[in-house]
Amino acid sequence: DQQVKQNSPSLSVQEGRISILNCDYTNSMFDYFLWYKKYPAEGPTFLISISSIKDKNEDGRFTVFLNKSAKHLSLHIVPSQPGDSAVYFCAMLAGGTSYGKLTFGQGTILTVHP
Amino acid sequence: DAGITQSPRHKVTETGTPVTLRCHQTENHRYMYWYRQDPGHGLRLIHYSYGVKDTDKGEVSDGYSVSRSKTEDFLLTLESATSSQTSVYFCAISKGETGGRNYGYTFGSGTRLTVV
Repeated sequence: DQQVKQNSPSLSVQEGRISILNCDYTNSMFDYFLWYKKYPAEGPTFLISISSIKDKNEDGRFTVFLNKSAKHLSLHIVPSQPGDSAVYFCAMLAGGTSYGKLTFGQGTILTVHP
Repeated sequence: DAGITQSPRHKVTETGTPVTLRCHQTENHRYMYWYRQDPGHGLRLIHYSYGVKDTDKGEVSDGYSVSRSKTEDFLLTLESATSSQTSVYFCAISKGETGGRNYGYTFGSGTRLTVV
């Protein structure tokens, strides 16, 4: 039973346009949400996060939106650049004594064309 | 760099042999994790540790064991490797939560394991 789903395995976007990556979850105990970016042959790197007490968090070209009622998380990249081409994973943390265990989505491959 | 290294980076092994992967950190973080990455499944937790000699199972722990005898080292052992354990393995470290919030993970560069 997958608690976190990224339903789009891939996304192709033109340079300069907006990239929107989506993530849905079922576990209402998740209260902290993160996005990671992964290049080939490297480990994932932290991108941006949001707490459940917020619905939006911005960091430069990256904005994360959280819709708790819909259990939906999204990442907007504006403007998209070719260097953004990577695999993006959403990840979630349940409140309480979770030992910091993150539950990840399946990943979305983003390709930004020049 | 990030203070976390994995070894080896690549390994090919035969079915039925034991294999040990090593994760070493210089950050003195309390929490360490082993994940595997497979197409269509993302990253799945194998085992984790919340202190020296304190470990527990994740969602895909069958066929794996771990040990943490020192803060800096977390070992993952495939007791008898099978083809289904062909995967990319990532170690991650975390300092957990401070002031009520989680800091997420720092990942190693991964170990690509092929079981033939």
